Amino acid sequence: DSGVTQTPKHLITATGQRVTLRCSPRSGDLSVYWYQQSLDQGLQFLIQYYNGEERAKGNILERFSAQQFPDLHSELNLSSLELGDSALYFCASSALGTGDGGYTFGSGTRLTVV
Amino acid sequence: DQQVKQNSPSLSVQEGRISILNCDYTNSMFDYFLWYKKYPAEGPTFLISISSIKDKNEDGRFTVFLNKSAKHLSLHIVPSQPGDSAVYFCAASLPGNQFYFGTGTSLTVIP
Repeated sequence: DSGVTQTPKHLITATGQRVTLRCSPRSGDLSVYWYQQSLDQGLQFLIQYYNGEERAKGNILERFSAQQFPDLHSELNLSSLELGDSALYFCASSALGTGDGGYTFGSGTRLTVV
Repeated sequence: DQQVKQNSPSLSVQEGRISILNCDYTNSMFDYFLWYKKYPAEGPTFLISISSIKDKNEDGRFTVFLNKSAKHLSLHIVPSQPGDSAVYFCAASLPGNQFYFGTGTSLTVIP
């Protein structure tokens, strides 16, 4: 157990639907990052939150949004789902600014859009 | 635009030999580099890191080399063991802790 908890582990949904992925960071970590891993690409950075505020945005589609709550857990909302959104979605956390050890990753949510 | 590239999708090595995984990057502002290891159905786990002020960092069987002029990073595993079989991602960080990952290299260590 890495200390980063992601739920659900698996999700199957239909095109056009909306889903919410949840992440609880490791205790003490203020930063949460979301990554998408698809078959032919590496880990693509989506978005970062630090202590409740958006810190950085990567290749995140407009159909996707995220937030970080006061208890520091984060949710990634994916709407108007398309087949191409099927991927592994990872959440990672870090204590911003340390650099050492990089991120701690959760075990991911596998999203299948049918 | 892929700022961190791993051009070898896969690598096979005999047990006991050296595994060399390579990574290239394009952004000279990257100041911190890491390698992650990933087993199927698990999240990536941190393996080893190196700061841009160094050119080598060693941790047991794992050594990371950084060639800043060539914008090249490599991970050496000596000796390779079957349990090292996994996907290895290199990552580079800009100041502020935002990381960019390569596409991964799948290492198979043959017993």
